[in-house]
Amino acid sequence: QISLKESGPTLVKPTQTLTLTCTFSGFSLNTPGVGVGWIRQPPGQALEWLAVFYWDGDIRYNPALRSRLTLTKDTAGNQVVLTMTNVGPVDTATYYCARDESLGKYWFDYWGQGTLVTVSS
Amino acid sequence: DIQMTQSPSSLSASIGDTVTITCRASQSISSYLNWYQQRPGRAPKFLVYDASNLQSGVPSRFSGSGFGTDFTLTISGLQPEDFATYYCQQAYTLVTFGPGTKLDIK
Repeated sequence: QISLKESGPTLVKPTQTLTLTCTFSGFSLNTPGVGVGWIRQPPGQALEWLAVFYWDGDIRYNPALRSRLTLTKDTAGNQVVLTMTNVGPVDTATYYCARDESLGKYWFDYWGQGTLVTVSS
Repeated sequence: DIQMTQSPSSLSASIGDTVTITCRASQSISSYLNWYQQRPGRAPKFLVYDASNLQSGVPSRFSGSGFGTDFTLTISGLQPEDFATYYCQQAYTLVTFGPGTKLDIK
């Protein structure tokens, strides 16, 4: 079955770089139309889309965060890594990764459980 | 950027009620509108795609409609597990989520 799981630090200091890994199974990022996206949710707030990595290597970013985000895929093919530079307290959130199999229509049908990242000195 | 609004921001209802949540886009997004349900402490669950298509496994008491800028999610015959927060999401130009509508028990 399809599953995704986020991993990474739970506490990051301001100005540091945050690196989160999404490890997935049950589907392939080599399948046409498939992508893995990242979405975050500050405590008590709404969802915010960050970026999505597609099967063909195409990557789309939230323009508001583009300068701070990088998405990469590992060589084994079952992990997508999100890097966010220069974090601050406003980046405190639960970070989710999710599958996009919508052939470019940006819907997320399977989600990981999320990982809470706190930015604090 | 396309902005999404939802109304109401919260509502109270009883088991068995029918409720409608409205989502509005700041410009036309055709039918590129998706809906998610999020229970407290859980990841969002995908409900509806392309404004009116139920994701596999979603109960038929959920229905979506709309086109252009105005969309609705209707839940007919509320069940205990339906009390949650609902988010709309536009997919016309990249991705934007609405602010959410919290549905709780009256």
